[in-house]
Amino acid sequence: AQKVTQAQTEISVVEKEDVTLDCVYETRDTTYYLFWYKQPPSGELVFLIRRNSFDEQNEISGRYSWNFQKSTSSFNFTITASQVVDSAVYFCALSELGAGNTPLVFGKGTRLSVIA
Amino acid sequence: DSGVTQTPKHLITATGQRVTLRCSPRSGDLSVYWYQQSLDQGLQFLIQYYNGEERAKGNILERFSAQQFPDLHSELNLSSLELGDSALYFCASSVGSEREQYFGPGTRLTVT
Repeated sequence: AQKVTQAQTEISVVEKEDVTLDCVYETRDTTYYLFWYKQPPSGELVFLIRRNSFDEQNEISGRYSWNFQKSTSSFNFTITASQVVDSAVYFCALSELGAGNTPLVFGKGTRLSVIA
Repeated sequence: DSGVTQTPKHLITATGQRVTLRCSPRSGDLSVYWYQQSLDQGLQFLIQYYNGEERAKGNILERFSAQQFPDLHSELNLSSLELGDSALYFCASSVGSEREQYFGPGTRLTVT
């Protein structure tokens, strides 16, 4: 069965620091998707990135970057030069494709607080 | 704005009652998903519909049911409500099951 673990429950950083949010996943499937979502204090869930299991290239989008490593079953998320607006709960999620496109399984989330 | 709409935004009701939550997916999205977010259980998948048909079921209680209508909007019905049903209920939609899901703003249900 699939599982997503976000070991860091809460992280607090000072503005402009870099921060990495860890995500470790478990799946028996060879074909799957990994996602990151952001939930700001307003409550909505905002899609950040989707990565398929065949693409291990790291991705950078502005201050955000993602490091996908199949060898360690990890999909970590780094925010460079953090800002107060980055304060939110971040969720990592997994979807398997092998048995017919399973819905998202979420980790418990990491609450990031960026202090000015 | 994700393009997914949910109504109502807040709902306060008493134990034993029945409520209906409504969701309109993004234009063109055929898949609709329902999730429950509570402090103790986290984000849990409830049920998925694809073009009107039930596609997958998660940890959905028998007291809960859902449907997707021909215009693709979906409703989640919660009956015989208990205090433990208090949670944030999200609807999400996607083009297909393997694509990213876009979430609505959620309905916060409080059962008193």
